[in-house]
Order: sequence, then C-alpha cells, then structure tokens
Amino acid sequence: DQQVKQNSPSLSVQEGRISILNCDYTNSMFDYFLWYKKYPAEGPTFLISISSIKDKNEDGRFTVFLNKSAKHLSLHIVPSQPGDSAVYFCAASADNYGQNFVFGPGTRLSVLP
Amino acid sequence: EADIYQTPRYLVIGTGKKITLECSQTMGHDKMYWYQQDPGMELHLIHYSYGVNSTEKGDLSSESTVSRIRTEHFPLTLESARPSHTSQYLCASSEEELRETQYFGPGTRLLVL
Repeated sequence: DQQVKQNSPSLSVQEGRISILNCDYTNSMFDYFLWYKKYPAEGPTFLISISSIKDKNEDGRFTVFLNKSAKHLSLHIVPSQPGDSAVYFCAASADNYGQNFVFGPGTRLSVLP
Repeated sequence: EADIYQTPRYLVIGTGKKITLECSQTMGHDKMYWYQQDPGMELHLIHYSYGVNSTEKGDLSSESTVSRIRTEHFPLTLESARPSHTSQYLCASSEEELRETQYFGPGTRLLVL
C-alpha cells in the first residue's frame, strides 16, 4: 500500500507556463517533505523541502505548497523551461520511521518548447 | 556538488552468480542508504547505515546484504542473483543530522538472466 502517491505518471506543459506536480500521502505522522528531480541515467537530486510547520516554501522558480488537512502537497514551477523536463519524486518522512524517507513513484514532466 | 559514485552502472549477469554493487562517497557522510526502484515505481529503501559497523534493513525486504567497514564505502551484495533481482539500485548518503537531504549516486541497472 503506497503511503506516498503521485497519481499522475506524466505531465506535459508548454514552455513558459506553470507546471503543477501533485503528491498525496496517507500517513498523518509525516512531517517533512522533499521533492527530488531525476534525469535519465542519473540519480535523483534534491530540489526543495518543506516541514509541516509551514504551508509554503519558495526557491526561485520552484514553490512547494503543503496542505496538512488534505495530506496533499504540490510543486509549482513557474515559468517552466525545457530543462525542467525530468521525473519528479515526492518524499516524506516521520520520526517513527527513523527519519527515513518514503518516496512516491514519480511524475514525468515534459516541458514543450 | 555531490560526490557519490556507483559501479558498475550497468550489469547483465546470469542466474546464480554472486554480485557486489559498489557505492562510495567522498563527503564524509555518516548515513548511507540503498534503494531499489523498478520502472515507474517508487524508490524502496532496502538498507541503511548510520555509520561504520552499523547496518539496518529498510522497508522493503531484500535478499541482499550490505557492509559498512569504512565511512566512505557501502557495498551491496547478492550471493546468488535471480531474475527477480532485476531492478535499478540507487545508493545515497546524508550527514548525520535531522532530516538532512540525501545525495544520490547515478544508480546501477541490474539485469539477471
């Protein structure tokens, strides 16, 4: 049973528009969340994080929103660029997992020029 | 810039062979991890280590074993490879701090015939 879900396996967006990647989780104990980006033939790289004491964290073109009551977070990329085309993983952790992270299956983003 | 390396990058091997997947990091990180990822699926934590001589099993049961004799080295061994072990194996490391983000290696794609 997946504890971290990314229900859209893929997403296509036009260059310059907003990309919104969604992530849902089932474990209410999760209190720290990360987004990773993965290019083909490379390992995932850290993108942005958010702790449950916040509902928004921004870093340049990337903003993560957290809705704890809905157990939902989203990653917004504005404006989207062709270089953003990659697989994006959402990950969550909780103290009762020894702070290890549980990863979602990923969403493949394609930004079209 | 993350300095974490995995070899080999690709491995095709016959059933019953013993294999060792290498992972090394030069960042002096205490925590290291092994994840297994099948195509389109989430990353599953199979092993982790808090430091030298520390190894723990992750969320996903795995027939592989790991060792941590040196801080920088965290090899994963399969004593007798089977087709069910075909997957991608990702190594990661992080500093021994709360919720520290993880740096991933490029992964090893294993195919067992």
